[in-house]
Amino acid sequence: GNSVTQMEGPVTLSEEAFLTINCTYTATGYPSLFWYVQYPGEGLQLLLKATKADDKGSNKGFEATYRKETTSFHLEKGSVQVSDSAVYFCALSEGRGGNKLTFGTGTQLKVEL
Amino acid sequence: GAVVSQHPSRVICKSGTSVKIECRSLDFQATTMFWYRQFPKQSLMLMATSNEGSKATYEQGVEKDKFLINHASLTLSTLTVTSAHPEDSSFYICSAVGGAVESEQYFGPGTRLTVT
Repeated sequence: GNSVTQMEGPVTLSEEAFLTINCTYTATGYPSLFWYVQYPGEGLQLLLKATKADDKGSNKGFEATYRKETTSFHLEKGSVQVSDSAVYFCALSEGRGGNKLTFGTGTQLKVEL
Repeated sequence: GAVVSQHPSRVICKSGTSVKIECRSLDFQATTMFWYRQFPKQSLMLMATSNEGSKATYEQGVEKDKFLINHASLTLSTLTVTSAHPEDSSFYICSAVGGAVESEQYFGPGTRLTVT
């Protein structure tokens, strides 16, 4: 079956530091890949997505590249802000997101001044 | 963007009682809604897929008689936790999909259920 593995947190960084959150996946077909963000007290929001190999999703300074050869979709940001503190979930679906999603365990990011 | 609401946001109930959670798509018609359960510091686990006008499809290991799902209209799905027990305490999240099958899932803010 499908599965998503992402690095455990919490990850604590200073403001303006570089962020990487690793995500690897196992899927039988050619899934679409997603990063969702959950701010404290709120629901999940789609951060970015990629639907095929070598696609790069980007939003709000965050980027992730769909790497089929390494089955990875690592999340990166060059300079984090305190407002980026949240829980980040990597996920996949067999379709483009309208189908059911398989989530990783989530990585909590804390950004300090 | 599309907005999904959940009601209530928090509920505390006594063991043995039933609790209903509503999930509404506020500005679009949702042909499919998903119900997830999230344990502390863990991922979202899909419980069931709900399609308007038909029976929900439950994931393996989820008791359909305990977690009743009704998707009576294109904007409303409900999850009823029947005869709740403390182990049912969790964060329940719904998502909704509108339009084409490949469109995005929009998530509700979640409902915190505590069973005492």
